[in-house]
Amino acid sequence: EDKVVQSPLSLVVHEGDTVTLNCSYEVTNFRSLLWYKQEKKAPTFLFMLTSSGIEKKSGRLSSILDKKELFSILNITATQTGDSAIYLCAAASGGGSYIPTFGRGTSLIVHP
Amino acid sequence: EAGVAQSPRYKIIEKRQSVAFWCNPISGHATLYWYQQILGQGPKLLIQFQNNGVVDDSQLPKDRFSAERLKGVDSTLKIQPAKLEDSAVYLCASSLGGLAAYNEQFFGPGTRLTVL
Repeated sequence: EDKVVQSPLSLVVHEGDTVTLNCSYEVTNFRSLLWYKQEKKAPTFLFMLTSSGIEKKSGRLSSILDKKELFSILNITATQTGDSAIYLCAAASGGGSYIPTFGRGTSLIVHP
Repeated sequence: EAGVAQSPRYKIIEKRQSVAFWCNPISGHATLYWYQQILGQGPKLLIQFQNNGVVDDSQLPKDRFSAERLKGVDSTLKIQPAKLEDSAVYLCASSLGGLAAYNEQFFGPGTRLTVL
């Protein structure tokens, strides 16, 4: 059975702190690793990672994939209160299509 | 560009009743997904359509859940009869499609279902 495990499940920090969110996965026919930010209801896409060791960056957010050890991390530097959200990791698998398996998410709360 | 539309936004029903959710994807998006997200968990894929064909429905409880996308555009998800454990947010997402490569999924606002 495909499995994605995220840690920690929750995190409380102060503005300006740097956080690292972890995601490990076990899926058959792995194709890519996806990160989403979920505020209120609808998740919004952050990153897609397919190659090991290549960091993707978007502003204060960055992510990297290790396909040998089957994990990914999401870093957020200089956190702001607007970063408060649930961060979801998903491993997409499938021979001819993309079937995503999501983790439970990491709930991040950033205090002013 | 209009986003993914879903209705209703909230629904409260009693167990054993039936309920239906509607989703209108972004125009031109060939792939449509239905997810179930129980409180405190990540979204679980129920069914994936490519145009009007089913790509994957391995996690859809077919004894009570059904979904269709007859004209390859909007879609309905039905639960009949509902159980208490079906209480969740039902998310619809769409992407451009093309099964050979990943295309970004855009999520709708979801429908929060409460089964009493």
